[in-house]
Amino acid sequence: DVVMTQSPLSLPVTLGQPASISCRSSQSLVHSDGNTYLNWFQQRPGQSPRRLIYKVSNRDSWVPDRFSGSGSGTNFTLQVNWVEAEDVGIYYCVQSTHWPYTFGPGTKVDIK
Amino acid sequence: QVQLVQPGVEVRQPGASVKISCKTSGYTFTGYGIDWVRQTPGQGLEWMAWISAYNGDTKYVQKFQGRVTLTTDASTRTAYMELRSLRSDDTAVYYCVIVDGAHPIDYWGQGTLVTVSS
Repeated sequence: DVVMTQSPLSLPVTLGQPASISCRSSQSLVHSDGNTYLNWFQQRPGQSPRRLIYKVSNRDSWVPDRFSGSGSGTNFTLQVNWVEAEDVGIYYCVQSTHWPYTFGPGTKVDIK
Repeated sequence: QVQLVQPGVEVRQPGASVKISCKTSGYTFTGYGIDWVRQTPGQGLEWMAWISAYNGDTKYVQKFQGRVTLTTDASTRTAYMELRSLRSDDTAVYYCVIVDGAHPIDYWGQGTLVTVSS
C-alpha cells in the first residue's frame, strides 16, 4: 500500500498569517491516465471530514481561494495564504491513484 | 442537495456483526459509487471498500476482505456495510462517502459510532 506522510503533525498558527503542510507518498501518484489523484481533506472538531483539494490543485466548490495545493510525483503541499479561526482542525492528504486509497496521519492546526 | 444519513450509534459484543445503513437522497442513486471509510483512535482514517450503485461491483481493502460485505438497495436508495467477527479494535466511526477524485464531488455521512465491548 502507498504510505502517506505529513509534516508537521502539529501546526500552531497565528490568525492572519500563512501556513503550509507538506505531504509525501511512498511511490509516485501519477495515474496511468496521466492525472495525479492527490487530495486534501479538512476535519473540523466534531465533524465529518470534507475535501478541500482534488487532483493536487483543484479546489472543491466550498473552498475559499486562500487555500491552494501544489506538487507533483511524490511531494505535495497545502498552502493557506492567511489563517482564519474557522480553519482550526486536522488536515489529511489522501491518495486515490492506487487502491487501496490511503490517508496521511493528519496535521492538527490550531491557533497560537 | 445530496444527503447521506447514517444511524448514530451501534453497540455490539465481540464476535458479533453490525450492518450499517446509509440512506441517500438528492441525486441519481445509480450515478455514483459509495465508499466506506472508518476512523479509529489508533489507526486514524482508513479506506475500507467501495461499491458501484450502478452494477454492484465491489472493491475491498485486503485488511477487511472476508469480514466486510457491501450491498445497495436501489428501491430505498440505501447502501449497507456489514462487518462481521467484530473485535474491540473495530471500535470506530464508520462513514459512507461519495467522492470522485477527478471532479468536485465529495459528500460524507455524519458517521456511525460502532462500539465493540463485552
